[in-house]
Amino acid sequence: DVVMTQSPLSLPVTLGQPASISCRSSQSLLHSNGNTYLSWFQQRPGHSPRRLIYKVSNRDSGVPDRFSGSGSGTDFTLKISRVEAEDVGLYFCMQGTHWPYTFGQGTKLEIK
Amino acid sequence: QVQLQQWGAGLLKPSETLSLTCAVYGGSFSGYFWSWIRQAPGKGLEWIGEINHSGSANYNPSLKSRFTISIDTSKNQFSLRLSSVTAADAAVYYCARKDILTGPDYWGQGTLVTVSS
Repeated sequence: DVVMTQSPLSLPVTLGQPASISCRSSQSLLHSNGNTYLSWFQQRPGHSPRRLIYKVSNRDSGVPDRFSGSGSGTDFTLKISRVEAEDVGLYFCMQGTHWPYTFGQGTKLEIK
Repeated sequence: QVQLQQWGAGLLKPSETLSLTCAVYGGSFSGYFWSWIRQAPGKGLEWIGEINHSGSANYNPSLKSRFTISIDTSKNQFSLRLSSVTAADAAVYYCARKDILTGPDYWGQGTLVTVSS
């Protein structure tokens, strides 16, 4: 299985400051069809996961533009330009290129 | 707006069968893969498997074929069964819709499954 490794696992951030989460895969996530199926999810406490980003850098409808995704191959990043209080929660990456699909272990974002 | 609503027994004894159902409201039922994912306490998310509207299912090979996913297109529902549960199967189980082009987008509310004698 493809191993997804996130860092950091804990991310204390001051309100209004930027935040960045790294996700690395054990294999390239470039699919033979030319797409890279790397998604980012946010899970607020007590809620189901909500997708923020799909195919590396595409924001889902309704996701604030302070969230952005980038990367290629095996190295990906989720950035929040200015952290707000509502951003507190667990963030995890997921690869949908290789079966079985796998997730990162999650990064807990909290406000300092 | 697409909504996934799931239900099923949350407290099981070892060796019993886990049975969960997920109903889909809004949007098309065909053209997607309907998936089950679980999140064990203190662990990451694990993709269990998925099924399309034709009944073609894919399972995570790491889970030793203990799971069965089925679909009822007449009711826009799909289900998960796991036989002979053990404590290791305790987790929050989610149903989700997987868009073929973009990946999983909508998730159910989750069902906490506890296994205890």
